[in-house]
Amino acid sequence: DIQMTQSPSSLSASVGDRVTFACRASHSISTYLNWYQQKPGKAPKLLIYGASSLLSGVPSRFSGSGSGTDFTLTISSVQPEDFASYYCQQSHTTPRTFGQGTRLEIK
Amino acid sequence: EVQLVESGGGLVQPGGSLRLSCAASGFTFSTYWMSWVRQAPGKGLEWVANIKQDGSEKYYVDSVRGRFTVSRDNAKNSLFLQMNGLRAEDTAIYYCARSFGYCINGCYSVVFALDVWGQGTTVTVSS
Repeated sequence: DIQMTQSPSSLSASVGDRVTFACRASHSISTYLNWYQQKPGKAPKLLIYGASSLLSGVPSRFSGSGSGTDFTLTISSVQPEDFASYYCQQSHTTPRTFGQGTRLEIK
Repeated sequence: EVQLVESGGGLVQPGGSLRLSCAASGFTFSTYWMSWVRQAPGKGLEWVANIKQDGSEKYYVDSVRGRFTVSRDNAKNSLFLQMNGLRAEDTAIYYCARSFGYCINGCYSVVFALDVWGQGTTVTVSS
């Protein structure tokens, strides 16, 4: 199975900050990498697919990059509604494993 | 409106069984792969299983293979997860999700992502 490792596990930021989340795959997954946002008590929402393609309707302050084993999700200017947990998921191989998540907290 | 609604969760004793359902509406259910994802209390997301459009292919995470069975009824726009031999570690919110194939690299590749999620149903395994 492909293991997905996210870092850090939590991150504190202020509104307006630029933040970056990292995700690493145990084997190369090309760009078969998706990012999700989850708020407490809610189902996850897809943000980015294919490592860098922004889902329609997702604010342009979100961006993704990477290929192979190393990926990043960046929020260019954090907004109050962005405080949530973020998960990467590989869709290269079954099982479609998720990272353990990064929690974005208010500083 | 595109929607997924799970049901069937509850409290069950270790070793017991439960059948989860997911009712789909607002899209052509029979044309999509579908998945189950779970989240243990205070933990991250875990992909559990998925099933092809016609039910001919099914895949599972190792921890549930042989105990859980995913199925679907396209005539009723429904997805199911039969869970047998339940263990305490199966305690979680179970989400059903639609798997959409997105074109990337000029459609040279298709990447599948979970683009629609239900609200989840809670399964608690405890004596």
